[in-house]
Amino acid sequence: KAGVTQTPRYLIKTRGQQVTLSCSPISGHRSVSWYQQTPGQGLQFLFEYFSETQRNKGNFPGRFSGRQFSNSRSEMNVSTLELGDSALYLCASSLVTGGPSISGANVLTFGAGSRLTVL
Amino acid sequence: QQPVQSPQAVILREGEDAVINCSSSKALYSVHWYRQKHGEAPVFLMILLKGGEQKGHDKISASFNEKKQQSSLYLTASQLSYSGTYFCGTELRAQKLVFGQGTRLTINP
Repeated sequence: KAGVTQTPRYLIKTRGQQVTLSCSPISGHRSVSWYQQTPGQGLQFLFEYFSETQRNKGNFPGRFSGRQFSNSRSEMNVSTLELGDSALYLCASSLVTGGPSISGANVLTFGAGSRLTVL
Repeated sequence: QQPVQSPQAVILREGEDAVINCSSSKALYSVHWYRQKHGEAPVFLMILLKGGEQKGHDKISASFNEKKQQSSLYLTASQLSYSGTYFCGTELRAQKLVFGQGTRLTINP
């Protein structure tokens, strides 16, 4: 079956612009999480969506936002881009959001990521 | 809330063993381990639930000490394919997975 698909894979923006990243989860997966990966900070949790609702949020400024559609696809948006926003943005999907992991249902499957460069 | 991994980097020769530790200051619901090879997405290795169950995956195993809120990943007789960055992800009651900063493992022939 198809994996998690993220688009675009690479993009270059300038400071002050905004960007929208897209994530299509594995078919049947209803939870989508977003992470920012930078060399010094590792994987930083942005937010998590389940059934079109934001269930969890990380410690990022309001410039970072997201949403999930009825087909479980998700988008994240970063407005007023700053140089420090340059990073690899990873999306991950899972069957359910947290909870008992008897079947490993909340195991994350990551996409290849969208590499954002802000100039 | 971010778990602390140690060591930050390890260099081994093929066939040697390694232990990677993950500690949290919060009570954990579960611990996940993922491996990311250079230029690739992180890939799930195993999950450990409360109860101290030890899991295995070929020559890679892990334990979860609930009292100490610590997990350890054991790699025995390491192979070249084990190289990569290992992340532990801790699941709190809020049901979000927070990852450590990663441990870079380099296996040399």
